[in-house]
Amino acid sequence: GAVVSQHPSWVICKSGTSVKIECRSLDFQATTMFWYRQFPKQSLMLMATSNEGSKATYEQGVEKDKFLINHASLTLSTLTVTSAHPEDSSFYICSVGTSGRVNEQFFGPGTRLTVL
Amino acid sequence: AQSVTQLDSQVPVFEEAPVELRCNYSSSVSVYLFWYVQYPNQGLQLLLKYLSGSTLVKGINGFEAEFNKSQTSFHLRKPSVHISDTAEYFCAVIHNNAGNMLTFGGGTRLMVKP
Repeated sequence: GAVVSQHPSWVICKSGTSVKIECRSLDFQATTMFWYRQFPKQSLMLMATSNEGSKATYEQGVEKDKFLINHASLTLSTLTVTSAHPEDSSFYICSVGTSGRVNEQFFGPGTRLTVL
Repeated sequence: AQSVTQLDSQVPVFEEAPVELRCNYSSSVSVYLFWYVQYPNQGLQLLLKYLSGSTLVKGINGFEAEFNKSQTSFHLRKPSVHISDTAEYFCAVIHNNAGNMLTFGGGTRLMVKP
């Protein structure tokens, strides 16, 4: 399977600032990456699907101007939380989508965002 | 509508006892099924998956699951749990007409007591 890293693993920021989270596919060229958000004691909620070289596809209810996704290369996708507020505090997880007989996903370790 | 249901939000069990975590899905097309484990403040780790073939699937850490098409279930089992198995477990489905898209269940917290 693909090895996926995220940076940073945790971040604390002040309300109103922007935070960038990186998702890297270390051993696989990923045309598709996914971004999830997970609130405490809840399941993963898909935020958007990121396709290399094109605009991301956002799920209903996710503000694309607030959660900026850039997938500029086959190994890197970034999620920028703009003007973060305390309600954006969450665990953000990315995954890499593989292609083949079955399209699977391999997950990064997650990024804990705390907005003060 | 396509959905995944994990009937138990929490499952407490004593160490060395057997455990079953239940997962049911609904889909009008064929599916691929997955179980993931999540330890605190970590990402998801794949336990096992069913793509095709034998309906009994063995995974890591002594877990196994059985795909039952007639009951649309994919329950996860372990004959003897350890304290270290305490974690959140997620059942997930890829519908074969949905590309990579995973649909997750709500998760089950397995709490192993000494």
